[in-house]
Amino acid sequence: GAVVSQHPSRVICKSGTSVKIECRSLDFQATTMFWYRQFPKQSLMLMATSNEGSKATYEQGVEKDKFLINHASLTLSTLTVTSAHPEDSSFYICSAQDSNYGYTFGSGTRLTVV
Amino acid sequence: GQQLNQSPQSMFIQEGEDVSMNCTSSSIFNTWLWYKQEPGEGPVLLIALYKAGELTSNGRLTAQFGITRKDSFLNISASIPSDVGIYFCAGLRGNNNDMRFGAGTRLTVKP
Repeated sequence: GAVVSQHPSRVICKSGTSVKIECRSLDFQATTMFWYRQFPKQSLMLMATSNEGSKATYEQGVEKDKFLINHASLTLSTLTVTSAHPEDSSFYICSAQDSNYGYTFGSGTRLTVV
Repeated sequence: GQQLNQSPQSMFIQEGEDVSMNCTSSSIFNTWLWYKQEPGEGPVLLIALYKAGELTSNGRLTAQFGITRKDSFLNISASIPSDVGIYFCAGLRGNNNDMRFGAGTRLTVKP
């Protein structure tokens, strides 16, 4: 089946630094990937849709200059949290759409900003 | 973005009992998906439904795509402790790039 690898699984960074999260489709090509944010005991909230070779589409209220998305190839999308602050601490999850229109999720990245 | 209305929020049941949860929306969806998420992990797909009225089973799990295309339910029969987790419904609409999630149902199974 389709596999999406997300890295790192956990990261702790200092306030003001930037963190990059990678999302890779291992056995299929994904022209579209999605980035979600999840707070404790809450559902997944779509942050942005990442399109290969073009600019990402951000959901209302998500700062595109803070959450930089790059989808440079058909198997890799990256989310960079720039100038991270403690309120950015959250669980970030990516997903990719495979050729059968299934959506496979990565295992998530727990970001803690101290 | 618009979310789906998922209920119940949480369930505490005894091992062996059956479970039912559902999602509704005011919008029509082309596809309904049910996921399970365990702590610190991403959601894992359980069942996908593609046609109105479709009833699909995956082991002890059964899900249906409502006739109106605005709702779906998931049943778990004879629950076991490893069923513990958060179950999310998700609906796809438009060109299938627009996915919306329910708030989740947190299931606790007592041995």
